[in-house]
Amino acid sequence: NAGVTQTPKFRILKIGQSMTLQCAQDMNHNYMYWYRQDPGMGLKLIYYSVGAGITDKGEVPNGYNVSRSTTEDFPLRLELAAPSQTSVYFCASRGTYGSDEQYFGPGTRLTVT
Amino acid sequence: RKEVEQDPGPFNVPEGATVAFNCTYSNSASQSFFWYRQDCRKEPKLLMSVYSSGNEDGRFTAQLNRASQYISLLIRDSKLSDSATYLCVVNPYSGGYQKVTFGTGTKLQVIP
Repeated sequence: NAGVTQTPKFRILKIGQSMTLQCAQDMNHNYMYWYRQDPGMGLKLIYYSVGAGITDKGEVPNGYNVSRSTTEDFPLRLELAAPSQTSVYFCASRGTYGSDEQYFGPGTRLTVT
Repeated sequence: RKEVEQDPGPFNVPEGATVAFNCTYSNSASQSFFWYRQDCRKEPKLLMSVYSSGNEDGRFTAQLNRASQYISLLIRDSKLSDSATYLCVVNPYSGGYQKVTFGTGTKLQVIP
């Protein structure tokens, strides 16, 4: 049971490039989330999903896109990277019933220069 | 007013000390509350949920005051390994999509 996995761990992008951050969970959780965390700041919700085929915007969705074709995977797409997207990105998941605990992946550190 | 506000850090305390953090929330209808711990350059992990009657887990005690809209975390007999950032998390919804709100965190440094 690997929990929530994210790839890559680190990435440097040039302005205007695109990339996909991968997230997968093996806990059969319906809820999945993408957050970004800037230095000294709290986590900001980018997008979330309540199940395969269903996604919705969070607080800071501009510049990002998501898809959820399976329960396990929730990739985050960055189009036309900008320096303002330099951040640490965390993916998280939560089960539908029982504990409210969100399980986080180890994060992806992204630098856009 | 921010949805969730935490004590400004950092808190530098000696080993063995007792330290308390507070967190205020703006939505009086908020339903559930949590403390997460985040080590440097790591992901957040659930430390404990906060129940209406207050709850304890070893050296950690969490309290909820709905009237004043704040939650607290008390750490007794601080250990070096307690050094981390503590995130207050509030869920404003009863059920639903569980879009919780994270505070910016309070950094604790326990000094030998």
